[in-house]
Amino acid sequence: EAQVTQNPRYLITVTGKKLTVTCSQNMNHEYMSWYRQDPGLGLRQIYYSMNVEVTDKGDVPEGYKVSRKEKRNFPLILESPSPNQTSLYFCASSLLGGALGGPGELFFGEGSRLTVL
Amino acid sequence: AQTVTQSQPEMSVQEAETVTLSCTYDTSESDYYLFWYKQPPSRQMILVIRQEAYKQQNATENRFSVNFQKAAKSFSLKISDSQLGDAAMYFCAYGEGPGANSKLTFGKGITLSVRP
Repeated sequence: EAQVTQNPRYLITVTGKKLTVTCSQNMNHEYMSWYRQDPGLGLRQIYYSMNVEVTDKGDVPEGYKVSRKEKRNFPLILESPSPNQTSLYFCASSLLGGALGGPGELFFGEGSRLTVL
Repeated sequence: AQTVTQSQPEMSVQEAETVTLSCTYDTSESDYYLFWYKQPPSRQMILVIRQEAYKQQNATENRFSVNFQKAAKSFSLKISDSQLGDAAMYFCAYGEGPGANSKLTFGKGITLSVRP
């Protein structure tokens, strides 16, 4: 089954304790991205990757790091989490360029609910 | 920067009736794509419909159709014969053409409730 898998789905942590949210896709997609969803703000892009070893900042990258060492994996790292990073996080992937030449359909993971105390 | 505006935070529709969700966007690009995503209580993001800006014909997917007005930068979603399973949050999203990062810019979302 084609899917994007995120772990953990739920996490409660404390300020300053490093954590990693993993993301893996089995569709051989070049493009992967992280979004955060906050009430009243919709989804905002944190980081994205066009291919292995190619990453770039989205709209809200502060406090986050990513890496893309393998095509299928795109972990999101919070080196020193703070309460303002409490949010619902989504990983998404797509074919680069999409079937019609535009942005491909984004396939989303099921989301990771992160609470930082 | 591109922006997507969904001005109605909530809407309600009677089962079997038709409802239209509004979305406007701002861009200086001529080549772009528009999407509606559905997020049910399970939180999963599900693509409902996609529209290419270069196409004049409005996209349709079964009970879902759009009214795309390029000059007005308007992209509304019409849901016909509403069903209880349509209750969800709906997000309008904008994406750019080839060469762009495939980033989608989302609106704030609208919560749709369906009355039995």
